Amino acid sequence: GAVVSQHPSWVICKSGTSVKIECRSLDFQATTMFWYRQFPKQSLMLMATSNEGSKATYEQGVEKDKFLINHASLTLSTLTVTSAHPEDSSFYICSARLRGDRYNEQFFGPGTRLTVL
Amino acid sequence: AQKVTQAQTEISVVEKEDVTLDCVYETRDTTYYLFWYKQPPSGELVFLIRRNSFDEQNEISGRYSWNFQKSTSSFNFTITASQVVDSAVYFCALSGGNDMRFGAGTRLTVKP
Repeated sequence: GAVVSQHPSWVICKSGTSVKIECRSLDFQATTMFWYRQFPKQSLMLMATSNEGSKATYEQGVEKDKFLINHASLTLSTLTVTSAHPEDSSFYICSARLRGDRYNEQFFGPGTRLTVL
Repeated sequence: AQKVTQAQTEISVVEKEDVTLDCVYETRDTTYYLFWYKQPPSGELVFLIRRNSFDEQNEISGRYSWNFQKSTSSFNFTITASQVVDSAVYFCALSGGNDMRFGAGTRLTVKP
């Protein structure tokens, strides 16, 4: 099956620093990747949709200058949390859609747990 | 607008009991897909099933079964003879256009 990896799996950083999370589709090309955020005991909330080679589309309420998304290739998307604060602590999950997929299925990465001190 | 409702926040059962997780959805799309995912404590989403809007046939996979009814916009999930390893949060999701919307999730606890 289609495999998506995320790196790192967890990260602890100090307030004010920036953190980059990578999302890779390992065995397929993904024209579209998605970034979700999940707070404890809550559901996944879509943050943004990124298409390879174009700017990401952010959901309402998500600050694009704070959550920088780059989708430079068909297998890699990165999310950079800039000037992180404790309220940014969350579980970040990426997903990728197969190129040409007709089922709208997304393949999910294992998630990255971010803790901002 | 698409919406998924999982009204059951938490369910607790004793091992070997059957349990049904409810999922109700709203969409204006005529073509859409419904999914169920399991999220164990590790956090990684585990894909369980995908269903398209034109296929109302119920599905059974081992102890798992799904009942899709377009008339009531529901896509319920039943675990038969539950086991402790079934304890997790279960999410129902709907995809009609470009993105996927998740329900709030149901936390299932199976006690020995």
